[in-house]
Amino acid sequence: GEEVAQTPKHLVRGEGQKAKLYCAPIKGHSYVFWYQQVLKNEFKFLISFQNENVFDETGMPKERFSAKCLPNSPCSLEIQATKLEDSAVYFCASSQSSGFGNTIYFGEGSWLTVV
Amino acid sequence: GDSVTQMEGPVTLSEEAFLTINCTYTATGYPSLFWYVQYPGEGLQLLLKATKADDKGSNKGFEATYRKETTSFHLEKGSVQVSDSAVYFCALSPNDYKLSFGAGTTVTVRA
Repeated sequence: GEEVAQTPKHLVRGEGQKAKLYCAPIKGHSYVFWYQQVLKNEFKFLISFQNENVFDETGMPKERFSAKCLPNSPCSLEIQATKLEDSAVYFCASSQSSGFGNTIYFGEGSWLTVV
Repeated sequence: GDSVTQMEGPVTLSEEAFLTINCTYTATGYPSLFWYVQYPGEGLQLLLKATKADDKGSNKGFEATYRKETTSFHLEKGSVQVSDSAVYFCALSPNDYKLSFGAGTTVTVRA
């Protein structure tokens, strides 16, 4: 597609429940990124993929968070046993390459509310 | 580490006023610099970017110049419209795959 497509737009989970978010990158883009936006404006890099391989996971919480990008499937970000502080907007982004001057395109985000 | 500092808002302006949002950065090497905009209820959109010193990025009447000597990338628009009301984020990327964002500046333009 011509845009990064994220689903669902909104997700409500009770504390302790699992949450799973999906992202379809722009067609032809090899790199996928996940960001977490908390406190309205603060962005945090979580993880990036080059095709199905993890490229950089330095921002991923070690526990409860996992992500995958499998061939011919949307990428996913899963949170096991959600906590209140996981409430945030999760943005997926994609890019054609990781070269210098590369442009990263963002989806509209998935709003997770943990109650 | 790399970081971005942008002026705190909120900023409230009247239509046709001049807008400046200051952004300075700290980075090793020569990062690419970006301005992203987030309209109410929407995701991030790339507004403009610059990849090397003295480059000027421009789009939709907005401009920003990559100033290496002052480590700045201030965003300007000469005459804002109500439709420019949004949150503006300055960002840098030293390796072009991981963006570091500023805290965002909320801009409200009144008719």
